[in-house]
Amino acid sequence: ETGVTQTPRHLVMGMTNKKSLKCEQHLGHNAMYWYKQSAKKPLELMFVYNFKEQTENNSVPSRFSPECPNSSHLFLHLHTLQPEDSALYLCASSQEAGDPYNEQFFGPGTRLTVL
Amino acid sequence: AQTVTQSQPEMSVQEAETVTLSCTYDTSENNYYLFWYKQPPSRQMILVIRQEAYKQQNATENRFSVNFQKAAKSFSLKISDSQLGDTAMYFCAFMNNNAGNMLTFGGGTRLMVKP
Repeated sequence: ETGVTQTPRHLVMGMTNKKSLKCEQHLGHNAMYWYKQSAKKPLELMFVYNFKEQTENNSVPSRFSPECPNSSHLFLHLHTLQPEDSALYLCASSQEAGDPYNEQFFGPGTRLTVL
Repeated sequence: AQTVTQSQPEMSVQEAETVTLSCTYDTSENNYYLFWYKQPPSRQMILVIRQEAYKQQNATENRFSVNFQKAAKSFSLKISDSQLGDTAMYFCAFMNNNAGNMLTFGGGTRLMVKP
C-alpha cells in the first residue's frame, strides 16, 4: 500500500450504532487530519494531530472521537450519530503540521450514511 | 475568520480548449498561501498548484497557472489545453501563515471536459 489509505470505503450505520473509521499513511508523515465533506458545504477540517498530539479540534461534536495511537494511524470513532452526519470523511497527512510547504496528501475517503 | 468563495458550481470546456475557474477570499492577514486542489471522480484529492501571497509572480505548473490579484483577493485557476483527465471537482483553499497548516476550502467547482 502506498500513500494514504482509508477503510472502510463505504459505511451505513444506524443512529444507535458504534463504528470506527480507520486511516493509515505510508509516507512517514507526522501530522494527520480528519475532514468532513458534505454535499452542500465546503470541506471542513475536524481534527489535527501532530506527532500523535491533538492540536486542533474544530468545534466537533463529542459523538465524533478521534484517536491517534501512532503517527501512521488515525481513527475516528463514531457513536449516536445523526442523519446530518452523513458525508464523505477524508483523512490527510503531511510531514508536519504548521508548515504551508508541507503538502497534505489525502486518502480516498469513507462514504458514511447514517440512517 | 477567513472565507473562500467559488462562484461557479459547475463548468464545462471542450477538450484542448482553455478554461478559467474563479476563486475569491476574504482575510485581514497579509501573509498567507493559496492552493488549488483537484478531486477526480475516484475522490482522492491532490494538490494542483500553490501560491505564496508575498510573491507577485503567478505560479505555474505545466498546463495549470493562476492569476493572483492580491488587492482584489482573487485567485483564479487557468487550465490550458484541457484534457479528459482534467474532469474533476476543483477546490480553492486558503492557509493563514500562522494557522498551523489549517486549510479553509471553498465550495468547489465541478469541471467537465467534453471530447
